[in-house]
Amino acid sequence: DGGITQSPKYLFRKEGQNVTLSCEQNLNHDAMYWYRQDPGQGLRLIYYSQIVNDFQKGDIAEGYSVSREKKESFPLTVTSAQKNPTAFYLCASRDRTSGNTIYFGEGSWLTVV
Amino acid sequence: AQSVTQPDIHITVSEGASLELRCNYSYGATPYLFWYVQSPGQGLQLLLKYFSGDTLVQGIKGFEAEFKRSQSSFNLRKPSVHWSDAAEYFCAAATGGGNKLTFGTGTQLKVEL
Repeated sequence: DGGITQSPKYLFRKEGQNVTLSCEQNLNHDAMYWYRQDPGQGLRLIYYSQIVNDFQKGDIAEGYSVSREKKESFPLTVTSAQKNPTAFYLCASRDRTSGNTIYFGEGSWLTVV
Repeated sequence: AQSVTQPDIHITVSEGASLELRCNYSYGATPYLFWYVQSPGQGLQLLLKYFSGDTLVQGIKGFEAEFKRSQSSFNLRKPSVHWSDAAEYFCAAATGGGNKLTFGTGTQLKVEL
């Protein structure tokens, strides 16, 4: 089936550790995105990539890093510099053929203790 | 600054009653407009979208939305709510390039049986 796969679904890490969230899509979409969701704040854009080997900071990029070595993959690293990393993280990709509609994965819960 | 506002944080309706969720946007030009639904702990599912043309847009699950340029609004409606519609609903907007999607803070819908 075509779609966006995020892993792991749940992740627990100790404070000070870096953690990488995986996002893979087989939709042949060029653009991919990472959003963070906190209760009552909607979704906020962390990073986005419009093409392989290129990415831009979103509204809350501090403490995060990404790479885009393959069209299908857009992993997000939550570094120890991120002051409040516990959140729900959503990966998305954009379909230019349907008017730039953005589709989402199922999300990853990160809890830092 | 570009923004999307959902004035209602929580809404409770009785099953079978009609529903309207409000969304206002603030953009220099008419953006692409979307409504997404999110069940607890899940990703976002696209309900419907508006790019241009007919201002009344039909979506999945019996939802529709009406674009009103004069009011900068894109309200979501459903004639008869089902208990399974209980979820969080997000309005979102993107500029013509569609590179970045800006979300409202969401409206939590509760359905009373």
